[in-house]
Amino acid sequence: SQQGEEDPQALSIQEGENATMNCSYKTSINNLQWYRQNSGRGLVHLILIRSNEREKHSGRLRVTLDTSKKSSSLLITASRAADTASYFCARTDSNYQLIWGAGTKLIIKP
Amino acid sequence: GAGVSQSPSNKVTEKGKDVELRCDPISGHTALYWYRQSLGQGLEFLIYFQGNSAPDKSGLPSDRFSAERTGGSVSTLTIQRTQQEDSAVYLCASSLLVRGETQYFGPGTRLLVL
Repeated sequence: SQQGEEDPQALSIQEGENATMNCSYKTSINNLQWYRQNSGRGLVHLILIRSNEREKHSGRLRVTLDTSKKSSSLLITASRAADTASYFCARTDSNYQLIWGAGTKLIIKP
Repeated sequence: GAGVSQSPSNKVTEKGKDVELRCDPISGHTALYWYRQSLGQGLEFLIYFQGNSAPDKSGLPSDRFSAERTGGSVSTLTIQRTQQEDSAVYLCASSLLVRGETQYFGPGTRLLVL
């Protein structure tokens, strides 16, 4: 069963704007990962952030982790049409099993 | 190999038939995972293989589902007596050493049970 909660479920923004997606969870984690899925490239890993890290960057992507609030966010800056995809957070539990959220569907309007 | 590959890419079968789905992980990756994804949904964990250890089968939805991994590389997921609710995309992933690391996904097999 999925125990991560992502919001919003869907997000539609204009090209060039920033997009923020959030992920919350209930139990402790070892790390939290963000993945992107679109029809062209399938499911692709974006960023892994460990429980002792607070922020990571990769290009136009910024991930934050607040373990006290049990939440993470993914920020995409200066969005492009190619960023249109579903974004999933997946956290590792104490057994290092990856627990997946239901995803946020992001649409970038030209 | 360059990435995780899966075959077939699409499979249409009749209710009650058995199907076999194949996954070739990235060469050298010891961990292999199978997931199921229904339309518009997240990933449902099915089974995890780690080296020569006994697999974690805790996600298999029924005893009609089984999987094996031969020689620590190629894996096959078998669904016996398929039902319409088995229709989904079946995704395979591998990671270098252990679960909890970055996973690299194959393109998936889209299964349709009529």
